[in-house]
Amino acid sequence: EAQVTQNPRYLITVTGKKLTVTCSQNMNHEYMSWYRQDPGLGLRQIYYSMNVEVTDKGDVPEGYKVSRKEKRNFPLILESPSPNQTSLYFCASSHPSRGGLEQFFGPGTRLTVL
Amino acid sequence: GDSVTQMEGPVTLSEEAFLTINCTYTATGYPSLFWYVQYPGEGLQLLLKATKADDKGSNKGFEATYRKETTSFHLEKGSVQVSDSAVYFCALSDRATNKLIFGTGTLLAVQP
Repeated sequence: EAQVTQNPRYLITVTGKKLTVTCSQNMNHEYMSWYRQDPGLGLRQIYYSMNVEVTDKGDVPEGYKVSRKEKRNFPLILESPSPNQTSLYFCASSHPSRGGLEQFFGPGTRLTVL
Repeated sequence: GDSVTQMEGPVTLSEEAFLTINCTYTATGYPSLFWYVQYPGEGLQLLLKATKADDKGSNKGFEATYRKETTSFHLEKGSVQVSDSAVYFCALSDRATNKLIFGTGTLLAVQP
C-alpha cells in the first residue's frame, strides 16, 4: 500500500530535550516536505527536499533541522524544542512534476513541549 | 507573496443540504489549485484539484471550478452527508517549489 508513515504519532516532551520525528514514504517520490498545523493558521511549510541531499527552508524553518540521506526518509529534528513548537506536524511527498500533482500526507504527529 | 483565503467556519448543515465553501487566492503566474479534506484524527487527503483556468475538479459529489477572472475555487456539493463532516482546506501549489500554500481550513459539521 502506497503510504507516508510518521513516528511517533504522539509525543510529550520538555523544553530543550532533542527529538526526532521520522517520516518515510514507499512511493519512490523525489519531493518531500514538512508542515505544521496550528489553529487559525492552516498548514505552513517548515522544510522541503527536492531530492536526496537537497533541502531548503520553507516559511517557518526556525528551530528545526532536516536531512535527506535516502530517498524514502526525511526526518525532522528539533535540537532544543520550545513550547511554541507545540503543534501538529505533517510529512508529505509527491512526484517531482512541478506543482500539478497530488501531495500524499502522513497521519500526523502531535507534539507537546512543556 | 501567494496566499489563499477561505471562509471561516464552522459551517453547520443538515443532511442533504447544499454546501458552498468559498476560496479565493492571490498568486503570480498560474498555480494549480486543490481542495484537501481532513477527517477527525487523520492526515490530509486530496479531495479534488484543477491545474488550469476553467478546469473543474470533482470527486465524491464535490466540485470546484478554477476561475481565473475571479481568482476563486469554491467548493460545492449538492447534498451533504453526515460522513462529510471534516475540515476542508483550499490550497495552491507553487510551480517552482511544489510548496502547497493553504488556507486556514473550514470545519464542516453535518447533522442528521
